[in-house]
Amino acid sequence: NAGVTQTPKFQVLKTGQSMTLQCAQDMNHEYMSWYRQDPGMGLRLIHYSVGAGITDQGEVPNGYNVSRSTTEDFPLRLLSAAPSQTSVYFCASRRGPLEGNTIYFGEGSWLTVV
Amino acid sequence: KNQVEQSPQSLIILEGKNCTLQCNYTVSPFSNLRWYKQDTGRGPVSLTIMTFSENTKSNGRYTATLDADTKQSSLHITASQLSDSASYICVVSAYGNKLVFGAGTILRVKS
Repeated sequence: NAGVTQTPKFQVLKTGQSMTLQCAQDMNHEYMSWYRQDPGMGLRLIHYSVGAGITDQGEVPNGYNVSRSTTEDFPLRLLSAAPSQTSVYFCASRRGPLEGNTIYFGEGSWLTVV
Repeated sequence: KNQVEQSPQSLIILEGKNCTLQCNYTVSPFSNLRWYKQDTGRGPVSLTIMTFSENTKSNGRYTATLDADTKQSSLHITASQLSDSASYICVVSAYGNKLVFGAGTILRVKS
């Protein structure tokens, strides 16, 4: 049972490059989210999805795009990387609304933009 | 403004000792409060979830308490082990599917 799988684990990008962080879950969860974690701060929501074909912006969406063509996959695209996007990125999923449902996180993707 | 404040920022204890981590929140309307453990280089893993009506919940050596009146929660770790070394994150949910994360308390257990 893999849970939430993120790739790559580590990535170094040059300013202006684009890339996609992959996220897949095998628990048939409706809800999926992307967060970034920066030193001394709580996780911040970038984008989320409540089901295939439905996405919405979170707290810090600028510079990122998402799509949800299947229940399993929720990729995060960096359009033109900036040093401010250096961070650790976590994908998360849960079965339904927040009330009472456990949130499962991936192992994280460490991104450095130089 | 919805906020979650955790204290202390970091803590060092000896193996076998107990410790208590604190979480104060101003999230409204409150739905539930979660504690997560995050090992270095890994994703957060759920320890407990508590709703408004629950004031204590245990998961092995971890016991979380919630005082919804004072908007405070604590996570008590009993008989600490080296494997307890991690960051502990308090997360508060507001109705309407909003999550507010604390910055975490970094715990180091020394032998």
